[in-house]
Amino acid sequence: DGGITQSPKYLFRKEGQNVTLSCEQNLNHDAMYWYRQDPGQGLRLIYYSQIVNDFQKGDIAEGYSVSREKKESFPLTVTSAQKNPTAFYLCASSNYGGAGQPQHFGDGTRLSIL
Amino acid sequence: GESVGLHLPTLSVQEGDNSIINCAYSNSASDYFIWYKQESGKGPQFIIDIRSNMDKRQGQRVTVLLNKTVKHLSLQIAATQPGDSAVYFCAENMRGAQKLVFGQGTRLTINP
Repeated sequence: DGGITQSPKYLFRKEGQNVTLSCEQNLNHDAMYWYRQDPGQGLRLIYYSQIVNDFQKGDIAEGYSVSREKKESFPLTVTSAQKNPTAFYLCASSNYGGAGQPQHFGDGTRLSIL
Repeated sequence: GESVGLHLPTLSVQEGDNSIINCAYSNSASDYFIWYKQESGKGPQFIIDIRSNMDKRQGQRVTVLLNKTVKHLSLQIAATQPGDSAVYFCAENMRGAQKLVFGQGTRLTINP
């Protein structure tokens, strides 16, 4: 079945550690996105990518980094510079660069601090 | 600036009744709108979308209404079922932009 796979489902980070969240899609979508969701809140955009080897900062990019070496993969690294990383992280993808097209979401990774 | 908000953070309805979830948007340049349903511990699930050249669009048990005059979006769910309990988000896409702006969400609870 086509879809978006995020892994792991739960992740724990120690102080000063970088962690990488995986996002893979087999929908052949051009655009991919990373969002952060805090309890009782909406989604805030971290980074997005419309094509391979290109990506743009979203509204809350500080403390995060991404890469887009393959069309189907868009990993997110939460660096030690992100002082409040505990949140639910959601990856999404869409067709045609994303404008005026629905985004399809994975089931998220919940990141906590040890 | 860009913002999408909701009139009510929580909504409780009786099973079998109709539900109406509202959303206000502030950017008159937005030309595409989506409703998502998010169940606990899962990612948002696409429900229905509408473009700014339409006022109404219907799906299975759901209807989205768009009032561009007052910049208001609503989601109507007919004959609500227990499985409709979730948080519902609206999102807007500004013309020419490559990203969605999400509202804060409304939690819908279905009472038996």
